[in-house]
Amino acid sequence: DTGVSQDPRHKITKRGQNVTFRCDPISEHNRLYWYRQTLGQGPEFLTYFQNEAQLEKSRLLSDRFSAERPKGSFSTLEIQRTEQGDSAMYLCASSLAGGYGYTFGSGTRLTVV
Amino acid sequence: AQSVTQLDSQVPVFEEAPVELRCNYSSSVSVYLFWYVQYPNQGLQLLLKYLSGSTLVESINGFEAEFNKSQTSFHLRKPSVHISDTAEYFCAVSGNRDDKIIFGKGTRLHILP
Repeated sequence: DTGVSQDPRHKITKRGQNVTFRCDPISEHNRLYWYRQTLGQGPEFLTYFQNEAQLEKSRLLSDRFSAERPKGSFSTLEIQRTEQGDSAMYLCASSLAGGYGYTFGSGTRLTVV
Repeated sequence: AQSVTQLDSQVPVFEEAPVELRCNYSSSVSVYLFWYVQYPNQGLQLLLKYLSGSTLVESINGFEAEFNKSQTSFHLRKPSVHISDTAEYFCAVSGNRDDKIIFGKGTRLHILP
């Protein structure tokens, strides 16, 4: 197991385009989290899954954002009609339920131009 | 709701000198506390955690943090820093073992030669 993988590492997109990011968690981890980090800030919680169920969504997550984890393994985060304010590092993390602390991926850096 | 305040955005310190990175939390319920580290161009890594038991927790690379309930603090310390400790350090809190983790804004540690 090589840890949490995120793809792509970098994404540059034009404003108004849709983008999708993928996260592959550690295989035995049943929890998967998405965070967003902007320059000079700590990671901000977006949403999380236990297996395939999405248990919580942050109020930060507008209707343009959607996340899925269809088979309880990998997850995708889609942003529709991107805006310049969406430019950030999108972080994925996984853990075991009741297991304390996450393992983070390296993140996907999104730049909206 | 839980929140974390990291009192210093940047801390410069000379190599081999001691350092303390300050963190205060607020929580209306029981609390689990974490320090994560982000080295330049790398992902977030768990440095240490407090879940229960001894209030002093240690990492494998010489850092330690002490949970102080009366002062609602979880300061990170190291008696002698090395240039390789240059990184951003994030304090984080969770309300229970299965809840999402809320991060502070981070403290950038600059090691001066």
